[in-house]
Amino acid sequence: DVKVTQSSRYLVKRTGEKVFLECVQDMDHENMFWYRQDPGLGLRLIYFSYDVKMKEKGDIPEGYSVSREKKERFSLILESASTNQTSMYLCASSSGTGEVNTEAFFGQGTRLTVV
Amino acid sequence: QQPVQSPQAVILREGEDAVINCSSSKALYSVHWYRQKHGEAPVFLMILLKGGEQKGHDKISASFNEKKQQSSLYLTASQLSYSGTYFCGTQSRGSGTYKYIFGTGTRLKVLA
Repeated sequence: DVKVTQSSRYLVKRTGEKVFLECVQDMDHENMFWYRQDPGLGLRLIYFSYDVKMKEKGDIPEGYSVSREKKERFSLILESASTNQTSMYLCASSSGTGEVNTEAFFGQGTRLTVV
Repeated sequence: QQPVQSPQAVILREGEDAVINCSSSKALYSVHWYRQKHGEAPVFLMILLKGGEQKGHDKISASFNEKKQQSSLYLTASQLSYSGTYFCGTQSRGSGTYKYIFGTGTRLKVLA
């Protein structure tokens, strides 16, 4: 069974803390993505990566950074957490770099609360 | 930038039909549909690859009007298991791959 695993289902952090969200996939996929999900706003792309050490900004990258040191692992970093980063964070992966029309596989999400 | 979905939310009784619309301000080359049940990961339903294409998946089907930059998802004779949030999406070329851009979501609840 293919899997995208996010390290935490729920996290509570304090304002100003550095926060790491981890995502691991076991499908040998080239592409990995981080989204945040907010009511009424759907899924918004934060960052994505198409190869180890390669990354590209999505639509809302401000306040976030990412790291991809190994193919199977993609980390989202909140440099200094703020209350407006309270959200559900979803990781996804897909195969191929030059391919279009492949499906995305999602993790179960991390609900982050910043207090 | 994001595709806009309508309605935002819909409540149905079992056996009723529903239509979810997805509209984009940018050209769509393909459209994806996903369903997310409460507390679970979004799951792929189908891809529509070219304008005018219609696909079916059990009693869930979809159409794609490339000219109007719109897609619609049709749920017929809805079942309790159809409850969840539905997302349309499209792929857009990034520098090294195709990134997925998703819509604003439609929450669907089916009542017994």
